[in-house]
Amino acid sequence: DGGITQSPKYLFRKEGQNVTLSCEQNLNHDAMYWYRQDPGQGLRLIYYSQIVNDFQKGDIAEGYSVSREKKESFPLTVTSAQKNPTAFYLCASSKTSAYAGELFFGEGSRLTVL
Amino acid sequence: AQSVAQPEDQVNVAEGNPLTVKCTYSVSGNPYLFWYVQYPNRGLQFLLKYITGDNLVKGSYGFEAEFNKSQTSFHLKKPSALVSDSALYFCAVREPLTSGTYKYIFGTGTRLKVLA
Repeated sequence: DGGITQSPKYLFRKEGQNVTLSCEQNLNHDAMYWYRQDPGQGLRLIYYSQIVNDFQKGDIAEGYSVSREKKESFPLTVTSAQKNPTAFYLCASSKTSAYAGELFFGEGSRLTVL
Repeated sequence: AQSVAQPEDQVNVAEGNPLTVKCTYSVSGNPYLFWYVQYPNRGLQFLLKYITGDNLVKGSYGFEAEFNKSQTSFHLKKPSALVSDSALYFCAVREPLTSGTYKYIFGTGTRLKVLA
């Protein structure tokens, strides 16, 4: 079955450490997105990518980095510069940037800073 | 900038009663609107979308939504609520960017609680 796989499901990090969240899709989608979810704040866009080797900052990109070396993969690194990284992170994809349809989401990764 | 608002943090409804979860939007141009549902510690699942055409949109699990251009609303409805419908619901709008691409803007979510 096609879908989006995020790993790990749960991750604990000590302050000062970088961590990388994995996002892989086998839907043959061009566009991929990373969102951060905090209670009562909805989803906020961190980074997005429309094609391989290209990505753009979203609304809250500070302290995060991404890469898009393959169409299927869009990993997110939470760096030590991110002051409040504890959150639920969601990866999503869509067919193309011009597609008028919905986003498809992974199951999320919950990051906790100890 | 485009935006959506979900005015209710929580909605309580008795099982078997009709339910409504409210969403209003602010867009320039034609709106592309979506509803998603999220169960605890899970990703978002797509319910339905409005792109153009009929103002009453039917979606998954018996949900429907009514697009009202004059009231700039896109409320989610279901004729008869189930306890299993208890979850967090998000309204979203697609926003065009200057680069010719798009991003999706989400509301803050409404928690639906269906009481047995």
